[in-house]
Amino acid sequence: NAGVTQTPKFQVLKTGQSMTLQCAQDMNHNSMYWYRQDPGMGLRLIYYSASEGTTDKGEVPNGYNVSRLNKREFSLRLESAAPSQTSVYFCASSEDRDTEAFFGQGTRLTVV
Amino acid sequence: GDSVTQMEGPVTLSEEAFLTINCTYTATGYPSLFWYVQYPGEGLQLLLKATKADDKGSNKGFEATYRKETTSFHLEKGSVQVSDSAVYFCALSSGGTALIFGKGTTLSVSS
Repeated sequence: NAGVTQTPKFQVLKTGQSMTLQCAQDMNHNSMYWYRQDPGMGLRLIYYSASEGTTDKGEVPNGYNVSRLNKREFSLRLESAAPSQTSVYFCASSEDRDTEAFFGQGTRLTVV
Repeated sequence: GDSVTQMEGPVTLSEEAFLTINCTYTATGYPSLFWYVQYPGEGLQLLLKATKADDKGSNKGFEATYRKETTSFHLEKGSVQVSDSAVYFCALSSGGTALIFGKGTTLSVSS
């Protein structure tokens, strides 16, 4: 009964370091998403994947890359972390783009 | 583009008080509307949804009615509990787009 699983839960990076946030879902959903949550800003879409093999930019894609590895997995990569990328990152999945989304527990990332 | 506007918080209530959190939207076409709840330290959970005009979504004593004429989807609960303390997000999806969220409203209920 895992749903959407994100790793890691917490991470501290130094400016300029790189890292990949992992996300996997076991609900056989077609669509997957990465959001970031910042105080007073709500959730903003970074990238999404409507189906396996496709990815599209969201509202705030700069500084990030994504890979839809297969139907289950959707990873988010920071190539050169910046303090402005300090945030809580949520992965989500849905059967299709306009149906309800299921969220992971989040990754709290701090860039110093 | 499509957008969601919800009332700013925090909203502070006593237990058993009536709750309203306002949400209005701008969208082309006919969006589906959602309320999500986020408890401290957790991800978002779907609270309720409505997919067409005049639909009422309900769950755990919360209700919201899709009002096309006023482009609104206000969240209500007749008697809040301390356990309802959380952040509430209004969201929409339209024309195959990913969910678009409001900025969230923090609710704090005291006993």
